[in-house]
Amino acid sequence: NAGVTQTPKFQVLKTGQSMTLQCAQDMNHNSMYWYRQDPGMGLRLIYYSASEGTTDKGEVPNGYNVSRLNKREFSLRLESAAPSQTSVYFCASTRDRGTTEAFFGQGTRLTVV
Amino acid sequence: DQQVKQNSPSLSVQEGRISILNCDYTNSMFDYFLWYKKYPAEGPTFLISISSIKDKNEDGRFTVFLNKSAKHLSLHIVPSQPGDSAVYFCAAQRGGGNKLTFGTGTQLKVEL
Repeated sequence: NAGVTQTPKFQVLKTGQSMTLQCAQDMNHNSMYWYRQDPGMGLRLIYYSASEGTTDKGEVPNGYNVSRLNKREFSLRLESAAPSQTSVYFCASTRDRGTTEAFFGQGTRLTVV
Repeated sequence: DQQVKQNSPSLSVQEGRISILNCDYTNSMFDYFLWYKKYPAEGPTFLISISSIKDKNEDGRFTVFLNKSAKHLSLHIVPSQPGDSAVYFCAAQRGGGNKLTFGTGTQLKVEL
């Protein structure tokens, strides 16, 4: 069982470049999330999708866009990367809205230089 | 504005002893609390949770205590094992909501 799969695992970008982080889950979950983890800050919610076809902003959405491509896939796009977006990004999913146990991917370590 | 706080960035405990990890929250609307465990280069994994209608939940070596009046919860690990060495995140949720609010994490090291 793959669970939540994120690609790539590592990425280095130059300031101003764009990229898309991919996330897919095989648990038939309805809700998906993108978090970033920074030292001393815990995990902060960037965007989430309560169900296929819907997306909403989280705590730190500026500089990001998302697409819920289908029930399985939820991508995060950086249109013009900035050094402040250097972080570890985690995708997660839950069965339903309000279901508390979230399953996380392994993370993407992004460095913007 | 950190609504969920873990004031101890690190904790060191001897194998076999009790580990106590603490978490405080400020938002009285939170009614579900969770602990996640994270190893290096891996995503967080769910450990244990507690609803605000309870004050204790136990699962094997792990027990979570909730003190609503103090807005405080704690995770007890007894006995601690070297494999428990990881970062532990406390998280909180408002009823029926999608969002988990995480604390900053506590690095637990269990020494032989």
